[in-house]
Amino acid sequence: TQLLEQSPQFLSIQEGENLTVYCNSSSVFSSLQWYRQEPGEGPVLLVTVVTGGEVKKLKRLTFQFGDARKDSSLHITAAQPGDTGLYLCAALSNFGNEKLTFGTGTRLTIIP
Amino acid sequence: DTAVSQTPKYLVTQMGNDKSIKCEQNLGHDTMYWYKQDSKKFLKIMFSYNNKELIINETVPNRFSPKSPDKAHLNLHINSLELGDSAVYFCASSQDIWRDPTDRVVGYTFGSGTRLTVV
Repeated sequence: TQLLEQSPQFLSIQEGENLTVYCNSSSVFSSLQWYRQEPGEGPVLLVTVVTGGEVKKLKRLTFQFGDARKDSSLHITAAQPGDTGLYLCAALSNFGNEKLTFGTGTRLTIIP
Repeated sequence: DTAVSQTPKYLVTQMGNDKSIKCEQNLGHDTMYWYKQDSKKFLKIMFSYNNKELIINETVPNRFSPKSPDKAHLNLHINSLELGDSAVYFCASSQDIWRDPTDRVVGYTFGSGTRLTVV
């Protein structure tokens, strides 16, 4: 079973600060996704990255897939209280018979 | 219109009971899943069905039995509930998206979860 480790596990910062969340594994993935989950709701897909080294931007969020397709990062610029939530990376591990495996999660709190 | 809907939202029941959770998707997706999220928020796949056919069964106790009457529905029946079954169960569906002939991504949509508490 491929394990996706996220760090940090918890992060609490002031509004306006920048932050980076990491997702690491020893396995190679065909693609990697980031989700945000709010209390009482299911995860919502934010982005999918496919190519090694790929960078995608979603407003103040920047996602990067590692060159070797084993890791990813999520950078948030000028964090806002609305960014608060549980951030999950998830990867498709088999080239063909996909099974979405989730990371250990980062619980982010933005303090106004 | 809710894309992936599951019922009930909350379920409190006694040990030993049998219960079912229902899931329906109106996205036209071919594949549906059940995931379990534990108290530490770790999400783990339980089952996957593609067009009513079971394709993933992740070493889940056989007290858990998924049933897919058609590709828009995937229900989860649990027999002889145990305290350790308490968790949030998420239904999801997915569809392949081909950005070009060699670039395929899979888009997942999750339901809002069923919080099961066994007492």
